[in-house]
Amino acid sequence: KAGVTQTPRYLIKTRGQQVTLSCSPISGHRSVSWYQQTPGQGLQFLFEYFSETQRNKGNFPGRFSGRQFSNSRSEMNVSTLELGDSALYLCASSLDSGGRAFFGQGTRLTVV
Amino acid sequence: GQNIDQPTEMTATEGAIVQINCTYQTSGFNGLFWYQQHAGEAPTFLSYNVLDGLEEKGRFSSFLSRSKGYSYLLLKELQMKDSASYLCAVSATDSNYQLIWGAGTKLIIKP
Repeated sequence: KAGVTQTPRYLIKTRGQQVTLSCSPISGHRSVSWYQQTPGQGLQFLFEYFSETQRNKGNFPGRFSGRQFSNSRSEMNVSTLELGDSALYLCASSLDSGGRAFFGQGTRLTVV
Repeated sequence: GQNIDQPTEMTATEGAIVQINCTYQTSGFNGLFWYQQHAGEAPTFLSYNVLDGLEEKGRFSSFLSRSKGYSYLLLKELQMKDSASYLCAVSATDSNYQLIWGAGTKLIIKP
């Protein structure tokens, strides 16, 4: 069965722009979580969506937002990009919250 | 609140054995995961512990003691390809089942 798919894989944006990243979970998985990872750092939790509802939220500013659609696909949006937003953004899906997470390959965002 | 501690970096020799520890403080423990992450890649699942004891899977084993809030990942017969970061993550009711991640242990394997 297909894994977690994230698009795009690479993205270069300018400060002040906004960006939307997409994540298609494994079929049947209802939970989708988003993480930010900068070089040499651990996973910083952004938010989790479960059955189209935001279930958990990390400590990121309101510029970071997300949503989940009825088919469980999820998007995250970052508005007014800052240089510090340059990172690898990882999406993970699981059957339920707290279950084994399956990660996509990530979107590497560079803000210049 | 929740907290997970792992050593930042460890070094081991090819062919040897290494143990990576993880300690956690949480309420309503619901399970502990270990993941491997190579540089620039996504984390991949290694093991899951929910009951006390040792889970063995090939060269990798994971141990859990819920009463001590402690787990370890044991890697045997180390290979150069085992050079990676190893992440410990805990699921608990006090985090609304959201996985809480440790910062990861960077394992360096030397010939």
